[in-house]
Amino acid sequence: DVKVTQSSRYLVKRTGEKVFLECVQDMDHENMFWYRQDPGLGLRLIYFSYDVKMKEKGDIPEGYSVSREKKERFSLILESASTNQTSMYLCASSFTGGLYGYTFGSGTRLTVV
Amino acid sequence: TQLLEQSPQFLSIQEGENLTVYCNSSSVFSSLQWYRQEPGEGPVLLVTVVTGGEVKKLKRLTFQFGDARKDSSLHITAAQPGDTGLYLCAEPPNTGNQFYFGTGTSLTVIP
Repeated sequence: DVKVTQSSRYLVKRTGEKVFLECVQDMDHENMFWYRQDPGLGLRLIYFSYDVKMKEKGDIPEGYSVSREKKERFSLILESASTNQTSMYLCASSFTGGLYGYTFGSGTRLTVV
Repeated sequence: TQLLEQSPQFLSIQEGENLTVYCNSSSVFSSLQWYRQEPGEGPVLLVTVVTGGEVKKLKRLTFQFGDARKDSSLHITAAQPGDTGLYLCAEPPNTGNQFYFGTGTSLTVIP
């Protein structure tokens, strides 16, 4: 059963902490993505990567960075967590071109207090 | 960011009722995908439609792609509580690798 695995389902962090969200896929997908999902705002793209060590900014990259050292792993980093980064974070992966769709992880619900 | 408009935004119906949700864009879709996101989970791909006028069925779900490829609909017959979730339409990339997602329809089916 192919899958995208996110390391944590729920996280609670304090303001100012550095936060790491990990995502691993086992489908040999070239592309990996990080979204945040908030009520009324839909899915918003933070960063994506189309190859190892490559990254592209999405629509809302401020306050975030990413790392892709291996094809199967894509990490999202909150350099200094703030309360407005409380959200559901979704990782996804796809083949180039996207015709076969995204495969999403189950999400990480992050609360920053 | 290209944003696809979905309607209605929220829908609450009784078990056994039929419903239709819509996805619209001002530009022509190359193809379109529908996803369902159950509470607390990530979205899961339901179907991809490619050809204008195409109709695809997945059990009680019927997906239609508009003739002009600028809109799509999802019809659910005899809704069940297990259909509860957020329904998202998405356009795969023409160039590059980024999908564009609709705003979503949140469906609640009441037993």
